[in-house]
Amino acid sequence: EAGVAQSPRYKIIEKRQSVAFWCNPISGHATLYWYQQILGQGPKLLIQFQNNGVVDDSQLPKDRFSAERLKGVDSTLKIQPAKLEDSAVYLCASSLRGVNTEAFFGQGTRLTVV
Amino acid sequence: AQSVSQHNHHVILSEAASLELGCNYSYGGTVNLFWYVQYPGQHLQLLLKYFSGDPLVKGIKGFEAEFIKSKFSFNLRKPSVQWSDTAEYFCAVFSGGYNKLIFGAGTRLAVHP
Repeated sequence: EAGVAQSPRYKIIEKRQSVAFWCNPISGHATLYWYQQILGQGPKLLIQFQNNGVVDDSQLPKDRFSAERLKGVDSTLKIQPAKLEDSAVYLCASSLRGVNTEAFFGQGTRLTVV
Repeated sequence: AQSVSQHNHHVILSEAASLELGCNYSYGGTVNLFWYVQYPGQHLQLLLKYFSGDPLVKGIKGFEAEFIKSKFSFNLRKPSVQWSDTAEYFCAVFSGGYNKLIFGAGTRLAVHP
C-alpha cells in the first residue's frame, strides 16, 4: 500500500515570498489533515478535510495560509506571504474516516524562511 | 477545548531501564487514543492505538499503554528500553465530539548504551 506522498521535501524561501506544498493521501482515505510542526513542538492541526469539505480550519492563519482539496483527493497548502515564524515542517496525514481509524503521515516538507 | 498534555519533555535512560511516559487529555466524551513515534530523520509512525475494549493495549516493539478513563490518561510503558528506542514520542487524541486529531507537545527520549 502506497503511503502519503508529499512534495517538496525541503524548501527555502525569503520572507514575503509565496510557497505551496502538495499532498497525495492514501487511496480511499476520506480525511486529510495538514499539520505544522515547529522545532521542539508537537504537530499543530492547521486544517482538516473530509472529502473536499473543510471540517476544521480554526487554527489556520487565513490572512496568509490557504488550502484546498479539489475532487476530494490531492491537496495543496499555500503560504502567501511567508513570515520567518512559518519555518517549520508541514505534515500531511490521511485516514479512512474520523472515528476509530488511524492517521498515516507523510514525510513532511521542511520549510525554512530566511 | 480539546487538549493533550505530555508531562515529560526530555527523558534520558540507560539501556534496560523501564520507561513510562505520561499523557493526559481534556475531553470527557468518547475518544480514540494514539501514541506515535518519530525516529530521527523519519516520519511519524503509529506505535499503538486504543479505540475500545481492553484498556491495556500492546503495540509494536514491546510498547504498551494503559487507558484510565477516570484519570483521562493514556500512559506509555516499556519494561526494558533499547538504544534503538531513541526517538520522539507523541500522544494524540481523536474525539468524536471535536472530530479532530490533536497532538501533545512530545517527549524526546534518549537511551544511552
